[in-house]
Amino acid sequence: KAGVTQTPRYLIKTRGQQVTLSCSPISGHRSVSWYQQTPGQGLQFLFEYFSETQRNKGNFPGRFSGRQFSNSRSEMNVSTLELGDSALYLCASSPGQGGYGYTFGSGTRLTVV
Amino acid sequence: QKEVEQNSGPLSVPEGAIASLNCTYSDRGSQSFFWYRQYSGKSPELIMSIYSNGDKEDGRFTAQLNKASQYVSLLIRDSQPSDSATYLCAVNGPQGGSEKLVFGKGTKLTVNP
Repeated sequence: KAGVTQTPRYLIKTRGQQVTLSCSPISGHRSVSWYQQTPGQGLQFLFEYFSETQRNKGNFPGRFSGRQFSNSRSEMNVSTLELGDSALYLCASSPGQGGYGYTFGSGTRLTVV
Repeated sequence: QKEVEQNSGPLSVPEGAIASLNCTYSDRGSQSFFWYRQYSGKSPELIMSIYSNGDKEDGRFTAQLNKASQYVSLLIRDSQPSDSATYLCAVNGPQGGSEKLVFGKGTKLTVNP
């Protein structure tokens, strides 16, 4: 069974640019969540999608957005990149009924210069 | 603000010893509790889940939950150098089926040969 696939693995962007990250969940999983991980803040919740609807959102500025497609694949977008957006972005999938925990992808390492 | 607190460590134990990792959470309505292991440079991996008070054992790992004290712990028996990693406690609350997890910042464990 294929795991959670995130692309790309690494990205280098310039301040002010925008970026789109992609996530393909485990087959049959309907919930996709996104997290930002930095050494100082740990894992910070960005948002959760279930059946193409945003079910939950964390405390991030509106520059961070996401969406989910009918095949459960998800994308997140960050516009007007800032240096502080440099982080590991992790996508996680779960069956979606609540309480199962996540399976994480390998992450996308974003560096903003 | 729902919080999950862990001792940041580092926690250092000799090979063969028992490693004890602790976690407290603030939301009394939390329903599901998880322990993730994260090796350096890798994404978190789910190792234990627990939903009711008491102990749950899986191989060398035992998770303990005390909802009255809002306390979760993970015991690793016969610790091995390969157990050296950061251990993340995660909690899922009563959010209408949402999969959102709140993570602690993790405890770094080193097992010395």
